[in-house]
Amino acid sequence: AQSVTQLGSHVSVSEGALVLLRCNYSSSVPPYLFWYVQYPNQGLQLLLKYTSAATLVKGINGFEAEFKKSETSFHLTKPSAHMSDAAEYFCAVSEGSSASKIIFGSGTRLSIRP
Amino acid sequence: GAGVSQSPSNKVTEKGKDVELRCDPISGHTALYWYRQSLGQGLEFLIYFQGNSAPDKSGLPSDRFSAERTGGSVSTLTIQRTQQEDSAVYLCASSLVGGGLFSEAFFGQGTRLTVV
Repeated sequence: AQSVTQLGSHVSVSEGALVLLRCNYSSSVPPYLFWYVQYPNQGLQLLLKYTSAATLVKGINGFEAEFKKSETSFHLTKPSAHMSDAAEYFCAVSEGSSASKIIFGSGTRLSIRP
Repeated sequence: GAGVSQSPSNKVTEKGKDVELRCDPISGHTALYWYRQSLGQGLEFLIYFQGNSAPDKSGLPSDRFSAERTGGSVSTLTIQRTQQEDSAVYLCASSLVGGGLFSEAFFGQGTRLTVV
């Protein structure tokens, strides 16, 4: 069965600094991977997804993630943090079968220091 | 509809009362999920539907919680004899299929349940 682990429940970076949010997955088959973002008092929305077409995936708001099979990772990065990036970020994984289900990580809260 | 719709958006209930939370998924989506999110916490998985059946109910916290889905569409989450610890935001999500290329989940805005 698939699973996903997000290292660090809270990450704090300075405005303009690199953002790195870590996600490791476990899957017995090639996975489909997702990052979701939840801004304060809002619902979850899809940030980006990996579907095997390309290992580097670009999403909204300047975020990107790289699928590394050898490391079973799908870390989320942004070169320069903006105050508006402060939110909760969730990594998720699903497997190839249409009968399987998507599994979410525990989330990482990103804070931005002025 | 255009998105996942949940009702009510807010519910205040007295301890011991039963509540029903409704989720209207995106039309044609076969997979439906219920999650719970307590203040400042992550997503707690409750139950997953594939069509009208629930292959995974492992997240339901107690037998006071139940859910059903009818016609492969609308789902209702029922909490009986509510307790204060049930206070949370209940999120519903749907996806075209459970896994694979079109498995991304679309979330509703949630129902904020407060038990007083």
